[in-house]
Amino acid sequence: EPEVTQTPSHQVTQMGQEVILRCVPISNHLYFYWYRQILGQKVEFLVSFYNNEISEKSEIFDDQFSVERPDGSNFTLKIRSTKLEDSAMYFCASSEERGVGGELFFGEGSRLTVL
Amino acid sequence: GEDVEQSLFLSVREGDSSVINCTYTDSSSTYLYWYKQEPGAGLQLLTYIFSNMDMKQDQRLTVLLNKKDKHLSLRIADTQTGDSAIYFCAELYSSASKIIFGSGTRLSIRP
Repeated sequence: EPEVTQTPSHQVTQMGQEVILRCVPISNHLYFYWYRQILGQKVEFLVSFYNNEISEKSEIFDDQFSVERPDGSNFTLKIRSTKLEDSAMYFCASSEERGVGGELFFGEGSRLTVL
Repeated sequence: GEDVEQSLFLSVREGDSSVINCTYTDSSSTYLYWYKQEPGAGLQLLTYIFSNMDMKQDQRLTVLLNKKDKHLSLRIADTQTGDSAIYFCAELYSSASKIIFGSGTRLSIRP
């Protein structure tokens, strides 16, 4: 069964460092998303991406964050100058269509720990 | 504003029914979802319901939607130990480009 894969599964970084989280969405999917879940809290929408541009982003997704689909298969989330409060589980998701018509398929997440 | 609310914990006896409740805010949501998250895993879609439906049944799962009260519930019949997980209610926001999740209900099963 096709699946969304994310790397790394866990990354530890020093505050102020840049981090890139990688995702390989399901191959025929067109819509891509990043969500994050701070430990014990809700799953928060960060950004949606379609046709090589951001469709929508949340207030959390400020200038510190960027997304890119560099090569047609990977979908990356870059966090510049990480802060302690960026520590969270970051989930990538993809869907074939928008909304349900397109079920969101989630990866297993990348846990980011900022020290 | 965007908000989906759920109670944080639910404990049920094995074999009983579990009912997880959720309220949402966007009255123009077209789809509402239930996702399941097992420890250390990602989010798995369990079921969804269109906003023009009141009820949807899928094997042991029954989803009830009260659109007037913006209330969604998930009933799991004959709850098993394998149902232990966090259950997230979510709505497709009116812009259709994002899904908003609740904070999740941790379901624990006692023997």
